[in-house]
Amino acid sequence: GAGVSQSPSNKVTEKGKDVELRCDPISGHTALYWYRQSLGQGLEFLIYFQGNSAPDKSGLPSDRFSAERTGGSVSTLTIQRTQQEDSAVYLCASSPPGGRGTGELFFGEGSRLTVL
Amino acid sequence: GDSVTQMEGPVTLSEEAFLTINCTYTATGYPSLFWYVQYPGEGLQLLLKATKADDKGSNKGFEATYRKETTSFHLEKGSVQVSDSAVYFCAALYNTDKLIFGTGTRLQVFP
Repeated sequence: GAGVSQSPSNKVTEKGKDVELRCDPISGHTALYWYRQSLGQGLEFLIYFQGNSAPDKSGLPSDRFSAERTGGSVSTLTIQRTQQEDSAVYLCASSPPGGRGTGELFFGEGSRLTVL
Repeated sequence: GDSVTQMEGPVTLSEEAFLTINCTYTATGYPSLFWYVQYPGEGLQLLLKATKADDKGSNKGFEATYRKETTSFHLEKGSVQVSDSAVYFCAALYNTDKLIFGTGTRLQVFP
């Protein structure tokens, strides 16, 4: 597709369950970011992938959160043993080669996670 | 740590009114500064940017000037339209690859 694609768009789960959120970046984009947007909060950085380099995981809030990027393209964000405070919109963004360090990110529409 | 602070909303205006949304950043180094916009039902998109002091970013009638002396990057538009109703995010890129965002300001424009 033309833009960053995220799925599912909405996910409702029970506390303690694991969830997987998927991001399909724009073709040819080498950098991929995950952010979290909670009600009344800004966008919280979670993790950053750039090409084949080791990801920057400094924003992951706990060891229940992990992410991988296969083949330099699709990324999956996994949240284990979900808690109610994990409820948020999870945003994925990508940027093209040379986009790194320019701040010009292309965002998906997000995956809204609700933990009951 | 590095942070971006922007005014809380919602900002409610009548069509053709003048808009200002304030944004300040922590003065660690010389970040690049951005405004992103999120229209209802859409993903965030870059509105404008400025990479050094005194630069002015502009797009779609919106402007913001990088003010080093006041560590500010306020967003302005001379005459807003209903279609400008959205959430606006100020952001800064320091000497890392992480774009740091403010909390967002919702703008509501009524006819």
